[in-house]
Amino acid sequence: EDQVTQSPEALRLQEGESSSLNCSYTVSGLRGLFWYRQDPGKGPEFLFTLYSAGEEKEKERLKATLTKKESFLHITAPKPEDSATYLCAVHGSSNTGKLIFGQGTTLQVKP
Amino acid sequence: DADVTQTPRNRITKTGKRIMLECSQTKGHDRMYWYRQDPGLGLRLIYYSFDVKDINKGEISDGYSVSRQAQAKFSLSLESAIPNQTALYFCATSDSGGHTEAFFGQGTRLTVV
Repeated sequence: EDQVTQSPEALRLQEGESSSLNCSYTVSGLRGLFWYRQDPGKGPEFLFTLYSAGEEKEKERLKATLTKKESFLHITAPKPEDSATYLCAVHGSSNTGKLIFGQGTTLQVKP
Repeated sequence: DADVTQTPRNRITKTGKRIMLECSQTKGHDRMYWYRQDPGLGLRLIYYSFDVKDINKGEISDGYSVSRQAQAKFSLSLESAIPNQTALYFCATSDSGGHTEAFFGQGTRLTVV
């Protein structure tokens, strides 16, 4: 059974304090790993797709990396506007077309 | 205008009532999904549809039904609402061309009293 576990559940940072969020996954035949950002009361907003180990994607202060067992979302010099819940999801060959989500990491960045 | 539109955005209903949540999309995607989100439980798949004639149950379909009226429209019904169906509901779409990232609507906050 495909599974996704995110850690930590919550993270508080000072503005400018870099850190990483972890997404560990178990999936038969990874077809894609996805990162989303979700603001309170809103729908998840797509950030990145990673397809194979060693792949990296960047967007502003965010950088996503992928290994065979986990993905990291690195946040460099975060700002208060980066505060949100970050969701990780996987698409595996046994769940054609369906995304399996982790429970998310809620990030709070204080000025 | 949003690519994935859900109506209503908020709804309070009584136990036992029938309620329908609607979703429409302008992305031209074949695939549509309904998820519910509860604190601490993340996003869980209720139903999904890969085209108008293809409807599939997700992990938590009991107590729900869906209708795919057209490629762009996918509605979720609660036949007899109960309080533990109080949650945030999201519709999502994706294409079938190998890019399976899903695009979400803004959500419907449903409260069953």
